[in-house]
Amino acid sequence: QLQLQESGPGLVKPSETLSLTCIVSGGSISSTDYYWGWIRQPPGKGLEWIGSMYYSGGTYYNPSLKSRVTISVDTSRNQFSLNLNSVTAADTAVYYCARDRKSMIYPSFDYWGQGTLVSVSS
Amino acid sequence: SSELTQDPAVSVALGQTVRITCRGDSLRTFFASWYQQKPGQAPVLVIYGKNNRPSGIPDRFSGSSSGNTASLTITGAQAEDEADYYCNSRDSSGNHHVFGTGTKVTVL
Repeated sequence: QLQLQESGPGLVKPSETLSLTCIVSGGSISSTDYYWGWIRQPPGKGLEWIGSMYYSGGTYYNPSLKSRVTISVDTSRNQFSLNLNSVTAADTAVYYCARDRKSMIYPSFDYWGQGTLVSVSS
Repeated sequence: SSELTQDPAVSVALGQTVRITCRGDSLRTFFASWYQQKPGQAPVLVIYGKNNRPSGIPDRFSGSSSGNTASLTITGAQAEDEADYYCNSRDSSGNHHVFGTGTKVTVL
């Protein structure tokens, strides 16, 4: 059974960089059938896709966040990471990692991590 | 702002049928997937593709699409179906994911 687990600091100061890692177990991040993505959810609000990446390094990002986001992969550790720089209070959210089924016409995220709350505050 | 619009809230009597809709121009080209999210939990995929259910999802959940609208139908709603539901598809460019605004389903 595939499992994803987010890890990283729960508190980040304004203007600094939010860094999270997603460890994938029970399956290979190098599968050619999937992308791997990050989604966030501010408290009491809806879901927002941040970006997704392919094991070989190809990425695509939400245009509204693209200037501040980097997603990278470490295939040797079967994990991928999110960096979001210049954070503000508006970036406070639960951050989820998820497996992005590699389909243009039938997009979906079929496995999710449990999520991790990141607060931005001084 | 989301390119996929959902009604904020719907209610359904126990055992009855409820349809949740997701509207957006991109749905004329791309299909929607649907997620159930209960308080304090991660979203769970309930419908993907034309009308496919992941293993473990009850068959009372079904999906359909027509024009610019995708729908999730719960036939014979149960108390445990009370949750927030989100649709997901591509944006108009096809290059990015987008989530719907979400619908809170209350089972009476």
